[in-house]
Amino acid sequence: AQTVTQSQPEMSVQEAETVTLSCTYDTSENNYYLFWYKQPPSRQMILVIRQEAYKQQNATENRFSVNFQKAAKSFSLKISDSQLGDTAMYFCAFTPYNNNDMRFGAGTRLTVKP
Amino acid sequence: GAVVSQHPSRVICKSGTSVKIECRSLDFQATTMFWYRQFPKKSLMLMATSNEGSKATYEQGVEKDKFLINHASLTLSTLTVTSAHPEDSSFYICSARRHGTGGTYGYTFGSGTRLTVV
Repeated sequence: AQTVTQSQPEMSVQEAETVTLSCTYDTSENNYYLFWYKQPPSRQMILVIRQEAYKQQNATENRFSVNFQKAAKSFSLKISDSQLGDTAMYFCAFTPYNNNDMRFGAGTRLTVKP
Repeated sequence: GAVVSQHPSRVICKSGTSVKIECRSLDFQATTMFWYRQFPKKSLMLMATSNEGSKATYEQGVEKDKFLINHASLTLSTLTVTSAHPEDSSFYICSARRHGTGGTYGYTFGSGTRLTVV
């Protein structure tokens, strides 16, 4: 069974600064996908960034980047130049390559302070 | 592209009645849809996987007779909460996997349904 662990229930950061959210996972699969989703107060799940396990290069999407350490089974999210609109719950998620379901971590509540 | 519509967004029902929640993929075909339940300030817990034309696969501990799932077409899955009780009150979210794709871009979420059973 796959598990996803987010050890930071809450984080805060000053506007314009950088914050890193942690995520570790456990799997016996070799090929899989990892995701970070954002859930603002509207509760709509929004894909922030995704990483394919067979790619060594860390994914980047504008101010969002990941540090993917496959051997350590670690997948952290770095948010640069934090904005007030980044305030939300952030979920790390995992899905095996040939499987269907997506498993989520417990989430990290991020607050960006003005 | 890749829009999933979920209705209703909010519903209040009396204890003992049934409530149906719809999840539609608007611009793509979804052979597989997923139903999640989210408690306040908690993560999404997978309830069941809905496959078009076949029976849903339920996660351990989820009552299949209480949470009826139907996936009659490639664009529609429904979740019916039968004989609802106050403890069924929760936020339910569906997601759809795009037909023919893998796990990269293939998951799109609905906007969720807040169910309150009184």
